[in-house]
Amino acid sequence: DADVTQTPRNRITKTGKRIMLECSQTKGHDRMYWYRQDPGLGLRLIYYSFDVKDINKGEISDGYSVSRQAQAKFSLSLESAIPNQTALYFCATSDSQTGRGRTQYFGPGTRLTVL
Amino acid sequence: KQEVTQIPAALSVPEGENLVLNCSFTDSAIYNLQWFRQDPGKGLTSLLLIQSSQREQTSGRLNASLDKSSGRSTLYIAASQPGDSATYLCAAAHTGGFKTIFGAGTRLFVKA
Repeated sequence: DADVTQTPRNRITKTGKRIMLECSQTKGHDRMYWYRQDPGLGLRLIYYSFDVKDINKGEISDGYSVSRQAQAKFSLSLESAIPNQTALYFCATSDSQTGRGRTQYFGPGTRLTVL
Repeated sequence: KQEVTQIPAALSVPEGENLVLNCSFTDSAIYNLQWFRQDPGKGLTSLLLIQSSQREQTSGRLNASLDKSSGRSTLYIAASQPGDSATYLCAAAHTGGFKTIFGAGTRLFVKA
């Protein structure tokens, strides 16, 4: 079974709708991240969380919100979706305690299309 | 602001060829540099991570080097195989490893 799972894997929605993307992990990591990837661009950080009570904005947080419901769950919401939020969204985790350079582990991604 | 650039954007090579993928970054004050592989419809898989104090890391046919003074990292793939076809991304991390800036990637196609 995958260590980092994302639901849904694909979603098509309309402008103005509220959308929630969910991420769960069984790695026991304390840190979780949300990124978006656009064609021809690298991944860009939307939000990151060090633990349940510590949530921080990333590079492109406008139009997004997050919730860390538990150490293993981190959800991303688009309050009112717009077409330029069409992208591939990735959740990632890392462990602050490993001392191995804090490799990030990624979920399979959610492809979101906003019409 | 850190910028990460990968050249070339795409590369096609015959099977068996040795190849080098390039990554450059503008801010040398990095915590680590990581190379990922991305397959269509799947997430990113970490290949190699080089700490700021290291010069290179090796895993099987892969070798990654880091030269902070010149702002460069390379990923060397020996004896390429069709299964190596994927997009390869490099990522530079700062301040404890969590603020990571990604390059746009190099799409590699290895022809059988």
